[in-house]
This record gives sequence, structure tokens and C-alpha cells, in this order.
Amino acid sequence: AQTVTQSQPEMSVQEAETVTLSCTYDTSENNYYLFWYKQPPSRQMILVIRQEAYKQQNATENRFSVNFQKAAKSFSLKISDSQLGDTAMYFCAVLGGSQGNLIFGKGTKLSVKP
Amino acid sequence: GAVVSQHPSWVICKSGTSVKIECRSLDFQATTMFWYRQFPKQSLMLMATSNEGSKATYEQGVEKDKFLINHASLTLSTLTVTSAHPEDSSFYICSAHDRGWNTEAFFGQGTRLTVV
Repeated sequence: AQTVTQSQPEMSVQEAETVTLSCTYDTSENNYYLFWYKQPPSRQMILVIRQEAYKQQNATENRFSVNFQKAAKSFSLKISDSQLGDTAMYFCAVLGGSQGNLIFGKGTKLSVKP
Repeated sequence: GAVVSQHPSWVICKSGTSVKIECRSLDFQATTMFWYRQFPKQSLMLMATSNEGSKATYEQGVEKDKFLINHASLTLSTLTVTSAHPEDSSFYICSAHDRGWNTEAFFGQGTRLTVV
């Protein structure tokens, strides 16, 4: 079974500051993938960043980067230069096995304050 | 990116009636689609995996006779909530991968179901 744990139900950050969201996971798969999804008030799920477990290099997408610690099964998301539009729920997810379904954490509600 | 369209975006129905939710992949073919349920302020929970041309695979605890899934074509999966009750009120979301199981999943806009 695969599990994802997000220990921060809510976080806030000042505009232009940096914030890190935590995520730990557990999986028995050797070949798996990790994701951060954003869900704004519209509730549309939007991919933020993706990490292949076999890659040691941390993924980056503009202001978003991850700290992937495979041995510790940790996958944190860093948002730099936070913007008001970053206010949303953020879900960490793991995908493993051949079915393709995602296992989500409980989410972290991020508020960016002006 | 690929587009998954879900319809309707919201629906209100009377207790005891059935509601059908459609999930379409607009610019790619999806042999597999996924249906999730999200309660207020909670995470997405997988309900079932919809397979084109075969029966859906339901997660433990999900009643297959209540949540009927049909995946009749490579671009359309439907979820029918039968004999809906107020406790079925929730946010339902579908997703699909456009290039294989380990690639990005694209999500529909979701359907807010309210049973009165």
C-alpha cells in the first residue's frame, strides 16, 4: 500500500517570501513518481511539479522546486517569491504501479498575504 | 497540455433519483480514467478505475451498484450515482493520462453534487 503524509494542514507566507511545504510518503514500488498538485478555489487540479524517483536531481519549475530525499521518503515543495495567486490547497501525491492512479496526501492550505 | 472535460460542473437532484456525470478526454484517447471523490476540506479519494471496454475496478468500500461506471469509448467515461441520497453529496473529479500511466494526470473541472 502507498501512503502520503502532509503534516501541515495550513500555512501562510508573506508575498515575495519563500515557503516550504512538507510531504513524506511510503511505497513498496521500485519505480514511482511524485507530484505536487495545486487546487485553487475553483477546485481545478493543476500540476505544479513532477519528480521521477529514479532521478537524483531535484525537479524545478520556475519558482517551484522540490527537495527529494529518497532514502528518507521525503518530498518537500519550495515556493520562492510567493505570489497572491499561489493561494490554494496543495496536495502531494505518489503514483506507482501500472494502473496510474494517484494517492494523495490530506493537503496543505497555503495563504499568501499581501 | 491535454484537456479533460467534465460535465456538469454542478447538479442538484432529489433524493432517490439518479445522476450521470460525464468525463471526456478532448484531444487524446484514454483507455483508463479515474474517478475521485472529495469531501469538503478533505483530500481526493480514489473511487474506481474506469477501463475502456471492460468493467471498472472499484476501491474497497465503494458500492459498485450505487456508483455505476461506463467507459464505452476511448474518450468518454460516465459515472452514474443511482438512487442518490444526501450522504452522496460531494465533489466528484475524473482524471486521465494522455501518454501512459506514469505521465501527468489531467483532471476534469469536477462536479459538485448536492442531493436534497
